[in-house]
Amino acid sequence: GQQVMQIPQYQHVQEGEDFTTYCNSSTTLSNIQWYKQRPGGHPVFLIQLVKSGEVKKQKRLTFQFGEAKKNSSLHITATQTTDVGTYFCAGPNNNDMRFGAGTRLTVKP
Amino acid sequence: SQTIHQWPATLVQPVGSPLSLECTVEGTSNPNLYWYRQAAGRGLQLLFYSVGIGQISSEVPQNLSASRPQDRQFILSSKKLLLSDSGFYLCAWRMGRGSPLHFGNGTRLTVT
Repeated sequence: GQQVMQIPQYQHVQEGEDFTTYCNSSTTLSNIQWYKQRPGGHPVFLIQLVKSGEVKKQKRLTFQFGEAKKNSSLHITATQTTDVGTYFCAGPNNNDMRFGAGTRLTVKP
Repeated sequence: SQTIHQWPATLVQPVGSPLSLECTVEGTSNPNLYWYRQAAGRGLQLLFYSVGIGQISSEVPQNLSASRPQDRQFILSSKKLLLSDSGFYLCAWRMGRGSPLHFGNGTRLTVT
């Protein structure tokens, strides 16, 4: 079945540095979703990308969907301590969503 | 607005004991419902999903089961817990394909 791979597993940055997490699918995706899970919390939906080559921005966060709709990335510019958490990508698989393993971001003030 | 309730928040159970986790959704009808499990520091593993009352799809064969007795109620059960059942259990709902998942606050289960 559809698998979603996400790298890196961990990323530790100094506050103010940029951060990027990458997601790759073994199959073409109709859409891809991104979620953030704060430490001790539950995943919260951030955004959905649908179109080939789509780029969406939310303040310091930039989301991209590859031309082939098999990969995606999340880039955070000038990280802040509030960005700490695990970022997950998820791709559809029939009636459910398959999640990547997540990238845990820690930010040193 | 829609809300999802999941309880209990934490649970400590001995090996071999039964389990029942409940999840309810308010403010919507005929949602798709999901149970995920997350091991400490790991990703989300889909356990069960349901697209309607009495319809359960299982992703991972194990000693867990799920039921959907009502449209907006999803229950995760086990007759006998194993140590490996410890984890963070998350219930989620969405309106259908292409819509985002909305998660409950989760239940932290420790099997001792």
